[in-house]
Amino acid sequence: RKEVEQDPGPFNVPEGATVAFNCTYSNSASQSFFWYRQDCRKEPKLLMSVYSSGNEDGRFTAQLNRASQYISLLIRDSKLSDSATYLCVAFTGGFKTIFGAGTRLFVKA
Amino acid sequence: EPEVTQTPSHQVTQMGQEVILRCVPISNHLYFYWYRQILGQKVEFLVSFYNNEISEKSEIFDDQFSVERPDGSNFTLKIRSTKLEDSAMYFCATSFGANTEAFFGQGTRLTVV
Repeated sequence: RKEVEQDPGPFNVPEGATVAFNCTYSNSASQSFFWYRQDCRKEPKLLMSVYSSGNEDGRFTAQLNRASQYISLLIRDSKLSDSATYLCVAFTGGFKTIFGAGTRLFVKA
Repeated sequence: EPEVTQTPSHQVTQMGQEVILRCVPISNHLYFYWYRQILGQKVEFLVSFYNNEISEKSEIFDDQFSVERPDGSNFTLKIRSTKLEDSAMYFCATSFGANTEAFFGQGTRLTVV
């Protein structure tokens, strides 16, 4: 089983759509979780941290379910500029970071 | 806004040569990381570094790789004898605390020929 597993995508959605990404992690000792976005041939950029209580930043909402070892990201009112690859990331404690393979999102006009 | 700076942006080297990739962390960050991303593949953890020593390393980070922070500012990744399969984008990232948000540099594209 992969340490961090994501929907492979790609997701093709129209502008204004709501899209949800899922991610599971296998190491129950993982302590911190993040969503990053990566544009083609660019560095990963932090989108948001993920907390058990859930957190929201504008159109983006992230949730963590430790019991199910599941992380989600919801994007509301998709914009063309949201087109990117979304990376789920887990810190395993011990300073090791595991990236998921990413989910590609294409938002169309 | 503070940022992580990497040099060079692109390096071409012959197989068997040594390369050094450089990173200037965000000034108050204490934890440093190197990752690589082979074209079309996922981002892979190489090594984490804290308090002037390696905290953790992956299976990829073998004896050909080394890291150091020689002058208290630059954080470097050295590959002693490059192989074709070392061709990848190498990202440096830094964070203020352990397991906190990490910020990435723009990467060094290494091409081994």
